[in-house]
Amino acid sequence: EAGVVQSPRYKIIEKKQPVAFWCNPISGHNTLYWYRQNLGQGPELLIRYENEEAVDDSQLPKDRFSAERLKGVDSTLKIQPAELGDSAVYLCASSRPGTGVREQFFGPGTRLTVL
Amino acid sequence: GQSLEQPSEVTAVEGAIVQINCTYQTSGFYGLSWYQQHDGGAPTFLSYNGLDGLEETGRFSSFLSRSDSYGYLLLQELQMKDSASYFCAVREESNYQLIWGAGTKLIIKP
Repeated sequence: EAGVVQSPRYKIIEKKQPVAFWCNPISGHNTLYWYRQNLGQGPELLIRYENEEAVDDSQLPKDRFSAERLKGVDSTLKIQPAELGDSAVYLCASSRPGTGVREQFFGPGTRLTVL
Repeated sequence: GQSLEQPSEVTAVEGAIVQINCTYQTSGFYGLSWYQQHDGGAPTFLSYNGLDGLEETGRFSSFLSRSDSYGYLLLQELQMKDSASYFCAVREESNYQLIWGAGTKLIIKP
């Protein structure tokens, strides 16, 4: 089966600019996650979707971050405006129904650099 | 609070056996997962322990002791391609979220 697809792989922007990341999960995976990973750290959950519903967005900085998952498939994560501290790798993951706390499938990530 | 502790770096020799430990402190516990991540790559699932004991998958094994809030990942017959970071992650019983450790960088020398 095809894996989780993310684009772009790399993005360099200046602070205060907007940026968007796109994710296409594995077919049939109804749960989608967005994580942020800083260098030398584990992934930190930003938001989790069950189908098109955001069921856990407690860690999403809502003043500048937004996400959507229209039709319960693809998802977009947006930052506006970006800050220097947002430089990180943004990972998208998906999982089969009921198995996400055991096994998640990750995309290659988008490495964001904010100058 | 919630915390997972694992060594930041472990060095081993090709062909040897290495153990990566993980201790956790969480409000409730559901299961312990292990992931591998090569530099610049995506985390990939290795193993899961929901009950005490040993789970074996090829050259990799994972162990859990819930009474000690402790688990480990055992890698046997080390190969150069095993050089990567290894993360333990815990699901708390109270929610559906995975809490991740900071990762252990495994360095393998010929």
